[in-house]
Amino acid sequence: EVQLVESGGGLVQPGGSLRLSCEASGFTFSNYWMHWVRQDPGKGPVWVARINGDGSSTAYADSVKGRFTISRDNVKNTLYLQMNSLRAEDTSVYSCVRAAPMDCWGQGTLVTVSS
Amino acid sequence: EIVVTQSPDFQSVTPKEKVTITCRASQSIGSSLHWYQQKPDQSPKLLITFASQSVSGVPSRFSGSGSGTDFTLTINSLEAEDAATYYCQQSSTLPYTFGQGTKLEIK
Repeated sequence: EVQLVESGGGLVQPGGSLRLSCEASGFTFSNYWMHWVRQDPGKGPVWVARINGDGSSTAYADSVKGRFTISRDNVKNTLYLQMNSLRAEDTSVYSCVRAAPMDCWGQGTLVTVSS
Repeated sequence: EIVVTQSPDFQSVTPKEKVTITCRASQSIGSSLHWYQQKPDQSPKLLITFASQSVSGVPSRFSGSGSGTDFTLTINSLEAEDAATYYCQQSSTLPYTFGQGTKLEIK
């Protein structure tokens, strides 16, 4: 069974850092581009970042460029999102997603940026 | 950034009714448009890829059409389990963008 399980969310102060992880199973992780997508309650999903299969190519939404870094470890089958200089507006549920079209989504991990 | 706009925002429908949801992109995206279904407290589920291609395991009452800037998701003979919010998403150009969603209520 294809599965994506996120972890690492929590409460952090403005200006702080957090690293999200997403453990993949049930498929050959290195064959797939991966994404981070965030979603606020009652709102549509918002794409955050993507990485290609071997990690050599990344892309980011303008709102997080220079602050967030997407990376992956194909030995550990794990996707990461390093989040620095966090702002209140970064508060959201962050999900890792396989490929585009996005055919498999994790359940998400809540990030709350507040003092 | 390509803006994707759905209509309507909300629709209340009866079982067995036919439902049509539209999605309009702010510039041509070819067929790079996908549809998702999201139920409360669940992650989005892929329904239709590249405007009209069916996804394995999705009931055949769901279909998609369109190209360029105008797209349609059709649900034939609506069932109670179809109560959800539906999103379209373009993958033609980064940043990938989603519509604002269409909430479907079953009467």
